[in-house]
Amino acid sequence: NAGVMQNPRHLVRRRGQEARLRCSPMKGHSHVYWYRQLPEEGLKFMVYLQKENIIDESGMPKERFSAEFPKEGPSILRIQQVVRGDSAAYFCASSPLRDQNNEQFFGPGTRLTVL
Amino acid sequence: SQQGEEDPQALSIQEGENATMNCSYKTSINNLQWYRQNSGRGLVHLILIRSNEREKHSGRLRVTLDTSKKSSSLLITASRAADTASYFCATGGYQKVTFGTGTKLQVIP
Repeated sequence: NAGVMQNPRHLVRRRGQEARLRCSPMKGHSHVYWYRQLPEEGLKFMVYLQKENIIDESGMPKERFSAEFPKEGPSILRIQQVVRGDSAAYFCASSPLRDQNNEQFFGPGTRLTVL
Repeated sequence: SQQGEEDPQALSIQEGENATMNCSYKTSINNLQWYRQNSGRGLVHLILIRSNEREKHSGRLRVTLDTSKKSSSLLITASRAADTASYFCATGGYQKVTFGTGTKLQVIP
C-alpha cells in the first residue's frame, strides 16, 4: 500500500506565476489535509477536504489560495500569483475515517521556492 | 496561535543518553500525538496518547500526559544518531491537527 504521494517534490516559480501542488492520498483514504511549514517553524493547518467537499478552510489565506479534491484524481492546492512569502514546504496528509483518534498519514511534502 | 509549545527548542546530547522533550497546550484535548521530522522530509507519526491515558510506551519512546497541567513529555531512551530530527507534539483529530513549534534534537555519535 503506497503512502501519501505528493508531486512535485520541489517547485520553483517566479513571482506572479501559478503553483499547483498535487496530493494522492493513501488507498482507501477519503480525507485529505493540507499544511504549510515555513522555515524553522511547525506545520500550520490550511484546509481539510473530503471528496468534492471542502470541510474546513479556516487556515487558508483569503486570496490566491484554493484547494480541491475531485471525485477522481488527486487533491490540488493551487496558489495564484505567487509571492516570495509563499516559499515554504507544503504537506498533505490523509486519513481513512472521521475519527477523533485517527492518525493522519503525511506525504513527503512539496518545497515551493518563489524567486 | 500555536496550540502546542515544545520545550526546549533545541537539544543536543551524546549517543546513548536519554532525551526528554516537553509540550504544553492550551485547550482541552481528545488526544495528543508526537511526530518526528527528519531534515527536509515529511512527518512520521510516533505515538498517540488519549486524554484518559497517563503514560504510553512504544519501543524506546515513552510519552506521558498530564491533562491537569495541559502538558505532555516525550522521552527517548538510549538515543542513537539516527534519532536526530525535529519532534513535534500535535493536538486534534480528524478535523485538523494543530502542531507545536517543535524541538530540534541532535544526537552526537
